[in-house]
Amino acid sequence: QSALTQPRSVSGSPGQSVTISCTGTSSDVGGYNYVSWYQQHPGKAPKLMIYDVSKRPSGVPDRFSGSKSGNTASLTISGLQAEDEADYYCCSYAGSYTSYVVFGGGTKLTVL
Amino acid sequence: QVQLVQSGAEVKKPGASVKVSCKASGYTFTGYYMHWVRQAPGQGLEWMGRINPNSGGTNYAQKFQGRVTMTRDTSISTAYMELSRLRSDDTAVYYCARGEDGYNYGYWGQGTLVTVSS
Repeated sequence: QSALTQPRSVSGSPGQSVTISCTGTSSDVGGYNYVSWYQQHPGKAPKLMIYDVSKRPSGVPDRFSGSKSGNTASLTISGLQAEDEADYYCCSYAGSYTSYVVFGGGTKLTVL
Repeated sequence: QVQLVQSGAEVKKPGASVKVSCKASGYTFTGYYMHWVRQAPGQGLEWMGRINPNSGGTNYAQKFQGRVTMTRDTSISTAYMELSRLRSDDTAVYYCARGEDGYNYGYWGQGTLVTVSS
């Protein structure tokens, strides 16, 4: 069982928006602004999409955005495109007295 | 450009050890922590630990304490992850990833498949 809880799957049609949630505790998501999101296509290494809750690395489209409220972080993808179909993982710092870093179980995004 | 190149796939028997390497290029190796993350077939990502290439200091996930050893060779900008007493459920793709400020990972190795089978 993963430390952070994500829905197993979400779906949306091209052009629509979807939001993926990531629920943790006050010891990880809620305690630090160090939430990141990764996109992973089959057989590939994960790719950083969002870091520090809501920042986008250069090269990541502004269709991807992140936010946090309490112990739940969210990744929103607007204007869905076929190439967005992938697995998405959230990740949070969890403090130096525990696990340091915890991941969510992953969410499969299907573009209908 | 930043690159992390990992060693090739391994097949090991239960009880054996495996050592995976991660050669860094395109940046100052000692300037960033190197983390190790694994992914079992069809499963999610799991953090294993990290090494400070400058000092050699390490932090391991509790789950792997006593079985994992992370080391580095600064002369060749390479980090290593050794996992001992392998079990079948250690079958996974093992990734190295450069740790940025704030515990996120902007650069990943290509992954190394470790298969544990009798």
